[in-house]
Amino acid sequence: DVKVTQSSRYLVKRTGEKVFLECVQDMDHENMFWYRQDPGLGLRLIYFSYDVKMKEKGDIPEGYSVSREKKERFSLILESASTNQTSMYLCASSLPDSYYGYTFGSGTRLTVV
Amino acid sequence: GDSVTQMEGPVTLSEEAFLTINCTYTATGYPSLFWYVQYPGEGLQLLLKATKADDKGSNKGFEATYRKETTSFHLEKGSVQVSDSAVYFCALSPIQGAQKLVFGQGTRLTINP
Repeated sequence: DVKVTQSSRYLVKRTGEKVFLECVQDMDHENMFWYRQDPGLGLRLIYFSYDVKMKEKGDIPEGYSVSREKKERFSLILESASTNQTSMYLCASSLPDSYYGYTFGSGTRLTVV
Repeated sequence: GDSVTQMEGPVTLSEEAFLTINCTYTATGYPSLFWYVQYPGEGLQLLLKATKADDKGSNKGFEATYRKETTSFHLEKGSVQVSDSAVYFCALSPIQGAQKLVFGQGTRLTINP
């Protein structure tokens, strides 16, 4: 079964910590995405990568960075976590054409205290 | 620009009721249309898809028909179950070769026994 795997389901971090959220896909997809999901705000795109080492800012990149050193792995980095980054984070992957849709991971619920 | 508008939730129904969740879109060209479902604490899963006008997507008793004349893709189910309680997202792939999906805000559905 093809998969997008997010390394943690639940994470609790302290304000100011550097936080890494990891995502791995086994479908050889070119595109990978990081979204955050908050009540009433739907899905908001943080960053998008269309190839190894290539990235593009989404709608809300402030306070985040990403790394894609290998095709299968896409990491989201919170340089200095803040309480307003408490959220559900969703990773997705796809072929280059979104016509085929996305495959999502199970999500990481991050709480920053 | 391209956009998706879903009916606002939350929607609460009794078991065995008929379900409609409205979705309308704005897009240039001929988009592909999707419904994704997110069960509590999980990531999004593809529920169904339609790629051209008058196509009907169906899965797990859910159906949606691509209506170009009304730019709509309403989700329907004849008899809902408690296990259908979830958040439902309508999405579109704008044009062939587009890299990113455009999502609606999501509609939370609760089914009471």
